[in-house]
Amino acid sequence: AIQMTQSPSSLSASVGDRVTITCRASQGIRNDLGWYQQKPGKGPELLIYAASSLQSGVPSRFSGSGSGTDFTLTISSLQPEDFATYYCLQDYNYPRTFGQGTKVEIK
Amino acid sequence: QVLLVESGGGVVRPGTSLRLSCAASGFTFSGYGIHWVRQAPGKGLEWVAVIWYDGSNKYYADSVKGRFTISRDNSKNTLYLQMNSLRADDTAVYYCARDRRGGFPGDDLAYWGQGTLVTVSS
Repeated sequence: AIQMTQSPSSLSASVGDRVTITCRASQGIRNDLGWYQQKPGKGPELLIYAASSLQSGVPSRFSGSGSGTDFTLTISSLQPEDFATYYCLQDYNYPRTFGQGTKVEIK
Repeated sequence: QVLLVESGGGVVRPGTSLRLSCAASGFTFSGYGIHWVRQAPGKGLEWVAVIWYDGSNKYYADSVKGRFTISRDNSKNTLYLQMNSLRADDTAVYYCARDRRGGFPGDDLAYWGQGTLVTVSS
């Protein structure tokens, strides 16, 4: 199975900060990667698909980049509602595999 | 709107079985692949299984292969997960999630349910 290594595991940031989360695949996965946001007690929500395409309804402060093995999720200006846990998920092959998650906390 | 509602969770003993259901509405159920994803308490997300829109293919995580079976009844707009030989490490919230695009296997998970909790304990 493809291993997805996500970093950092947690970070503290302030409203208005630029935040970057990375995900590295153990083998090339083209651009077959999505980013998900999960808030406590809720199911995850898709933010980015195909590494860099913004899912409908998602604010433009979220962006994704990368291909092959290295991927990045960027929040350009952190808002109060963005404090959550973020996961990457490869959809290159089965079994699908998630990164370990990044918890974004208030500084 | 797209709605996925899981049910069937509960407290069960190790070694027993349980069947989860996911009732879908707001879209043409038979046109989309559907996944199960789980989350152990305080842990990250783990992909469990997928069934293609037409039921022609099913894939499983190694951790559940041979014990869990995913199925669907397109006439009832319902997805199932039959879980046998349950273990303590199967304890988790189980989510169903729909592919982003219809008829396109291997897609992102665009819609999720609220989850149902399965607790395996003696």
